[in-house]
Amino acid sequence: QKEVEQNSGPLSVPEGAIASLNCTYSDRVSQSFFWYRQYSGKSPELIMSIYSNGDKEDGRFTAQLNKASQYVSLLIRDSQPSDSATYLCAVNVYYGQNFVFGPGTRLSVLP
Amino acid sequence: SAVISQKPSRDICQRGTSLTIQCQVDSQVTMMFWYRQQPGQSLTLIATANQGSEATYESGFVIDKFPISRPNLTFSTLTVSNMSPEDSSIYLCSGGGATGELFFGEGSRLTVL
Repeated sequence: QKEVEQNSGPLSVPEGAIASLNCTYSDRVSQSFFWYRQYSGKSPELIMSIYSNGDKEDGRFTAQLNKASQYVSLLIRDSQPSDSATYLCAVNVYYGQNFVFGPGTRLSVLP
Repeated sequence: SAVISQKPSRDICQRGTSLTIQCQVDSQVTMMFWYRQQPGQSLTLIATANQGSEATYESGFVIDKFPISRPNLTFSTLTVSNMSPEDSSIYLCSGGGATGELFFGEGSRLTVL
């Protein structure tokens, strides 16, 4: 049974702070890792993908992957109230196979 | 990224009826999936839509209840059959291509009375 786990939150951070979102996965052979942002009443929106160990930066977002620890994280720098949403971690074992989603972490950025 | 359109965006249906949701992708994708998201929950995969053949269903989902078609690489339908209030949910179509990333349609919010 492939599993993806996240802290359910809610995670509250003040505006301008760094938000840190964590995700662990059970299947050691997983190859692809994704972070989605979902606003209330909207569909998930892909914000980051990462495939190899280390950090990947895109604007205020940094994804970190550690395959040995089976751990992937998302850092949001200079958090804004507009970042308030649920963040879903997704893992893909093999290309062409289905994605496994975590339960999501609800982030609240306080002005 | 792929642009995925779903319709209807929402509907209110009577118990015992069926509803078909359509999904159109703006470019050819190799993978198409149908997910369900119940209120306050994460995404649950219903099935993988296979072009020109029967869909591959996840545990707990059966073809009689959720028939799926995918006649070509850019179009798929999901039917929710013989609906009950427990089927009230958001149904999401998703597609992925050569980059391995998965993109979602806007979702179809279904309420069964």
